[in-house]
Amino acid sequence: QVQLQQWGAGVLKPSETLSLTCAAYGGSFSGYYWSWIRQPPGKGLEWIGEINHRGTTDYNPSLKSRVTISVDTSKKHFSLELRSVTAADTAVYYCAREREAIFDTWGQGTLVTVSS
Amino acid sequence: DIVMTQSPDSLAVSLGERATINCRSSQNILYNSKNYLAWYQQKPGQPPKLLIYWASTRESGVPDRFSGSGSGTDFTLTITSLQAEDVAVYYCQHYSSTPRTFGQGTQVEIK
Repeated sequence: QVQLQQWGAGVLKPSETLSLTCAAYGGSFSGYYWSWIRQPPGKGLEWIGEINHRGTTDYNPSLKSRVTISVDTSKKHFSLELRSVTAADTAVYYCAREREAIFDTWGQGTLVTVSS
Repeated sequence: DIVMTQSPDSLAVSLGERATINCRSSQNILYNSKNYLAWYQQKPGQPPKLLIYWASTRESGVPDRFSGSGSGTDFTLTITSLQAEDVAVYYCQHYSSTPRTFGQGTQVEIK
């Protein structure tokens, strides 16, 4: 059964770049899409984007101009970069596996705080 | 984007009673006889957990007191016989297209 473990910087200043990585352990990496989803404190869930093992991506249009999702299939890792962050990007960021576009496995979440 | 709207925003139900959460999509999410709708449960400090997909299929290991129904644009999550461990926020989500979007969430509490 796959488990997702994520890591990355938790505190950023405005205009910096958010960088997170998620590793998949114990399951197949190919044949799935892998997503990033975020949740501002006390609020709902927002899908950021997805990638597959070939590097094919799709992004939420609301964030597309600032987001890059990449993959390292050899390590079973995928990563998120979000550029030019502001306080509005403060959130818990989750990585997740998609099974037929359904988020069936989630990482533990990383709180990223943007503050000057 | 498809907008997912849940009702109510919160509800309080007595232990052992039924809880019903509604979800409406702004567009039809029924294609090829499948409804592209999932339900998740999120407890404080935890990531969401998949409960239901294809609108009515329970994920492995999910208790059978959780059930999903509906089609097209209107969907329902029902918890029969609410247990203390069911206190959580519940989200619906469509996956018929991108961007995938979620409802705003429904907080379920014990009365």
